[in-house]
Amino acid sequence: QVQLQESGPGLVRPSQTLSLTCSVSGGTVNSAGYYWTWIRQRPGEGLEWIGYVYFGGKTFYNPSLESRVLISSDTSKNQFSLTLSSVTAADTAVYYCAREFTTYYYNYMSAWGLGTAVTVSS
Amino acid sequence: DIQMTQSPSFLSASVGDRVTITCRASQGIRNELGWYQQKPGKAPKCLIYAASTLESGVPSRFSGSGSGTEFTLTISSLQPEDFAVYYCLQHNSYPRTFGQGTKVEIK
Repeated sequence: QVQLQESGPGLVRPSQTLSLTCSVSGGTVNSAGYYWTWIRQRPGEGLEWIGYVYFGGKTFYNPSLESRVLISSDTSKNQFSLTLSSVTAADTAVYYCAREFTTYYYNYMSAWGLGTAVTVSS
Repeated sequence: DIQMTQSPSFLSASVGDRVTITCRASQGIRNELGWYQQKPGKAPKCLIYAASTLESGVPSRFSGSGSGTEFTLTISSLQPEDFAVYYCLQHNSYPRTFGQGTKVEIK
């Protein structure tokens, strides 16, 4: 069974860059059929889809964040990463990595990491 | 972006109650919708995908229906472990968008 685990700093200074990594076990990021995804949840709020990286390195981002976000994968380490630049307090959130299972007939988020809390503060 | 509107935002119910949560999409999304349960301090968990398909291991008291723009999640007999926040998520187009959530609390 696939497991995902987020890691990265819990505190980031305003205007700096947030970098998180998701380590995958029980599956491979270099396989078709899955979108390796980042989602965040601001304190007391709902869920916001950030974007994904797919087999071969294809990416797709939420237009609301597209100018600041980069998602990439490292197949040698079986990890994928999120980079969010020029952060502000509005980027304070719990960040989840997830795996979206995709078929011709349906898609769904079939696995999630436990989430990692990131605070943007000086 | 497709807007997903859930109702109600909050509901108070008793163990054994039948509970229904609705999600409306701002445009047609066929059956490309999932329902997710999130408990405090935990990651969301998929209950239903493709509008009505029960994820493996999810109790049969959960069911989903709908197509196009209107969808429902029904819990036939609420159990103590079902008190949580429920989200819908559309998989029809990008960016993926969630409903704002429905918090189910004990009456």
